[in-house]
Amino acid sequence: DARVTQTPRHKVTEMGQEVTMRCQPILGHNTVFWYRQTMMQGLELLAYFRNRAPLDDSGMPKDRFSAEMPDATLATLKIQPSEPRDSAVYFCASGLFEGNTGELFFGEGSRLTVL
Amino acid sequence: SQQGEEDPQALSIQEGENATMNCSYKTSINNLQWYRQNSGRGLVHLILIRSNEREKHSGRLRVTLDTSKKSSSLLITASRAADTASYFCATAEYNFNKFYFGSGTKLNVKP
Repeated sequence: DARVTQTPRHKVTEMGQEVTMRCQPILGHNTVFWYRQTMMQGLELLAYFRNRAPLDDSGMPKDRFSAEMPDATLATLKIQPSEPRDSAVYFCASGLFEGNTGELFFGEGSRLTVL
Repeated sequence: SQQGEEDPQALSIQEGENATMNCSYKTSINNLQWYRQNSGRGLVHLILIRSNEREKHSGRLRVTLDTSKKSSSLLITASRAADTASYFCATAEYNFNKFYFGSGTKLNVKP
């Protein structure tokens, strides 16, 4: 049963520490998205990749966040330094987009708490 | 922003009743999708409707799309307690490069 795998599922860290979240998209999918979910802001699009190339990361605070896809099986989202306002659930989603159709498959999320 | 907005924010009904959720969006879209999220879990795709379609069915789900009003509705018929979840609409730009999600409708189906 193919699924998107995210690690860690939970992370508690102190302000100023570096946090790296990892995502293994479904094999064969060509698009990967990173979202952040909070009660106040809902689901915010942070960045997305098509065929491993970053297409847009305008939703990401550039000074502290970075997203990469070192290979087709791994996407990473890094926060350095982390701040309490970064506390949220971070979702990775992948999809096979062909033409103008496609659906997203979400991982279970990484719940981040920054103290 | 193309973010959709769902209405109502919360909905509480009895099992067996129908649940209707609405989504409004701001600009032209390629397609609109509905997703479901159970508490503490990731989102799960329910149904996709293209901009040239007006209505689509999938099991107990019925989705309508009115591009002139920039709105969509999701109807769940004969609801079950297991339908308790948050429901989100997502809109895709024409080049399908971005997916924006609305704020969601929290549905509670009482047994």
